Amino acid sequence: AQKITQTQPGMFVQEKEAVTLDCTYDTSDQSYGLFWYKQPSSGEMIFLIYQGSYDEQNATEGRYSLNFQKARKSANLVISASQLGDSAMYFCAMREGSNFGNEKLTFGTGTRLTIIP
Amino acid sequence: GAGVSQSPSNKVTEKGKDVELRCDPISGHTALYWYRQSLGQGLEFLIYFQGNSAPDKSGLPSDRFSAERTGGSVSTLTIQRTQQEDSAVYLCASSLARGHWETQYFGPGTRLLVL
Repeated sequence: AQKITQTQPGMFVQEKEAVTLDCTYDTSDQSYGLFWYKQPSSGEMIFLIYQGSYDEQNATEGRYSLNFQKARKSANLVISASQLGDSAMYFCAMREGSNFGNEKLTFGTGTRLTIIP
Repeated sequence: GAGVSQSPSNKVTEKGKDVELRCDPISGHTALYWYRQSLGQGLEFLIYFQGNSAPDKSGLPSDRFSAERTGGSVSTLTIQRTQQEDSAVYLCASSLARGHWETQYFGPGTRLLVL
């Protein structure tokens, strides 16, 4: 089974609209972390936002927020007031376990977001 | 401050040749990771270094792949006898690793093409 599933290969959104990128995950661990990264055409991976499994509040970072629904095992990224510069690939990733030393990230296949002027 | 740097940016090689990819992490970061991104795919974990601990090599796809981290800083990923399926972008990341959920910061990657 896929550990991270992103079901939207591509999305087109009008500029200034809000957009939700879906991410579901699969883990049996109680302690885990969820991350979103942005990858522009330049190829660099840019960290956007993080949510810990024990965090009670949804994470927010500027125009980015994470809609964390633990029971559904979903961690959707919400971008408010989209801008042309938001056009990029977006990856959801998970780090499992609470033992120091288990640091690797498992990534989904990504969603290509295109903002239309 | 300076981010993660990788060299070369691009590498074209012939099948069967060996290649070395270099990663220079953010100063002070004790954890270093290598990932591979094949065309149109997400990132695949390869190897993880943390301080002086034994590296986690569980993601290396074959014994043709190896990596070193000398002096707790710069790392080199070596691919021996390259195959066409090794063509991908190889990304390096580093983190402070002070706690459980330190953010990983990525370099620009090395684009490897095996002809």
